[in-house]
Amino acid sequence: GAGVSQTPSNKVTEKGKYVELRCDPISGHTALYWYRQSLGQGPEFLIYFQGTGAADDSGLPNDRFFAVRPEGSVSTLKIQRTERGDSAVYLCASSQGATETQYFGPGTRLLVL
Amino acid sequence: GENVEQHPSTLSVQEGDSAVIKCTYSDSASNYFPWYKQELGKGPQLIIDIRSNVGEKKDQRIAVTLNKTAKHFSLHITETQPEDSAVYFCAASPVGNEKLTFGTGTRLTIIP
Repeated sequence: GAGVSQTPSNKVTEKGKYVELRCDPISGHTALYWYRQSLGQGPEFLIYFQGTGAADDSGLPNDRFFAVRPEGSVSTLKIQRTERGDSAVYLCASSQGATETQYFGPGTRLLVL
Repeated sequence: GENVEQHPSTLSVQEGDSAVIKCTYSDSASNYFPWYKQELGKGPQLIIDIRSNVGEKKDQRIAVTLNKTAKHFSLHITETQPEDSAVYFCAASPVGNEKLTFGTGTRLTIIP
């Protein structure tokens, strides 16, 4: 596609539920990143994939958060036992390779009630 | 880890005037400094970036300057237009570390 796409655009869930957020990177981009943006703040790094493997997951806040990229293209961010504090915009970015420009998608707005 | 501070948090300028946003970073190993523009309800959009081997880069009305000794970099927008109104974020990334550390953002308002 022309840019990074993310689905759903909005997700409302209840505390304790499980959610999956999907990211489709720009075609041919080998690197994929997940960030989280709270209201009024800059994006915060969560995890970075180079190909299928997670090269850096140091930003994942705890073990309720997990991400996969099984075929080196689409990625899914999974959040178990959601908490109200997980409410934020989850942004995905992709780049042609490590250290190249990161292009962001529109984000998924997650609201945990 | 890296820490990026950004000032001011809000900035209002008359249309046609210039706007300057400043950022400082803590990690001397950082060598890549992008600037993103974010409009309401959208993802960040790259507007300009600079690497540590140059001190200045310009693209039409937008320029970025970098002072590695002082560990700060700035975004300059000249001849501002209403469509420049948005939130601007600076970011930094060290060599070999692909994750970006962002500043807290500057809400720029262009007054017609």
